[in-house]
Amino acid sequence: GAVVSQHPSWVICKSGTSVKIECRSLDFQATTMFWYRQFPKQSLMLMATSNEGSKATYEQGVEKDKFLINHASLTLSTLTVTSAHPEDSSFYICRAGTEKNIQYFGAGTRLSVL
Amino acid sequence: GDSVTQMEGPVTLSEEAFLTINCTYTATGYPSLFWYVQYPGEGLQLLLKATKADDKGSNKGFEATYRKETTSFHLEKGSVQVSDSAVYFCALSRTDYKLSFGAGTTVTVRA
Repeated sequence: GAVVSQHPSWVICKSGTSVKIECRSLDFQATTMFWYRQFPKQSLMLMATSNEGSKATYEQGVEKDKFLINHASLTLSTLTVTSAHPEDSSFYICRAGTEKNIQYFGAGTRLSVL
Repeated sequence: GDSVTQMEGPVTLSEEAFLTINCTYTATGYPSLFWYVQYPGEGLQLLLKATKADDKGSNKGFEATYRKETTSFHLEKGSVQVSDSAVYFCALSRTDYKLSFGAGTTVTVRA
């Protein structure tokens, strides 16, 4: 079964609203969490890396104030898309890493902003 | 910067057919190379990997050989099954943490 639970799997929201995506490690402690974004027929693009209890490190070109990442515990990280607009519509995927560098991916969240 | 290019899909095959998905990369130094698979409704799973030139990764009947001279890491399977229907991603990493992915190739195997 899945060891990383990502929720919701699909969300539709109105432009201007905020959306929170959760990523939970079910039976291990995720010391590092990565958030990716994927446009149709394109690669997964790393948005940010976060370590539990620390501020996230964002990749160049990713707006920190728009994509808020929280990694407050070893089993939960959240990505909040603030004031979402249609151009934020995409597929978002989390990846959880353990201390032994074992990596597990979430199933992804499809965000559609109307 | 690092980049990965893999063949576009979708690829549709009959059961027991031979599957090849091409993957080439651009990177400085000696990256590690990976193939990930994503089954419907699930997260990406590591399928196989190779960490140095001429290494062959293999798993579940799939193979890929790290070819530095051609900067390639093509995925092959001799006889596919319906259960192999999935999206396949080629990726590279120069560290253990950051991955650069290809766009993914959707494979559908018909009975």
